[in-house]
Amino acid sequence: DTEVTQTPKHLVMGMTNKKSLKCEQHMGHRAMYWYKQKAKKPPELMFVYSYEKLSINESVPSRFSPECPNSSLLNLHLHALQPEDSALYLCASSHSGNTYNEQFFGPGTRLTVL
Amino acid sequence: AQKVTQAQTEISVVEKEDVTLDCVYETRDTTYYLFWYKQPPSGELVFLIRRNSFDEQNEISGRYSWNFQKSTSSFNFTITASQVVDSAVYFCALSGVDSSYKLIFGSGTRLLVRP
Repeated sequence: DTEVTQTPKHLVMGMTNKKSLKCEQHMGHRAMYWYKQKAKKPPELMFVYSYEKLSINESVPSRFSPECPNSSLLNLHLHALQPEDSALYLCASSHSGNTYNEQFFGPGTRLTVL
Repeated sequence: AQKVTQAQTEISVVEKEDVTLDCVYETRDTTYYLFWYKQPPSGELVFLIRRNSFDEQNEISGRYSWNFQKSTSSFNFTITASQVVDSAVYFCALSGVDSSYKLIFGSGTRLLVRP
């Protein structure tokens, strides 16, 4: 059973919509991650939060806005997305921000932008 | 720069066959970490194993085994007596100082186990 949960499981949105993806972990981890995965490709890192502070932003467009309200929660706010942003968005957590720690992934949100 | 190569794009086997997934890596680090993840059709990446560069012992976990060889920069994964539930995409990944400890994924190997 995964201890990283993500909601919603599926999301369809128009290019003018604002929506949010949510992630929660119950393992007491202090690092959380957002990844984007296109079909038949490996996950691409977007953001890393370590001890609730943004530590890595992989030059992600500003239409993606992360937020870490506390050590268990991670949000990804979406606004004015493009069809090419359609992908599987995966959240992960690890014991700390050093990624020699294994990361545990949630089931993902499958996003479709129309 | 760090790089992970999984040359096998897709492998198809019949149930109960053994199968080996290859992973070759490049890094300038002397201390680094190697991982394998499984991604079934449901989408979630499942952590399988982590190895650090100083531990070349092979690992066995049930039907799964891993062969780490620094001399050939390889970290191969073998499934013995494969089962249909093993069908998934398998990713090998590398982490170290050279990548600022970010996970560098290979392109993945899709394994199909046919009944």
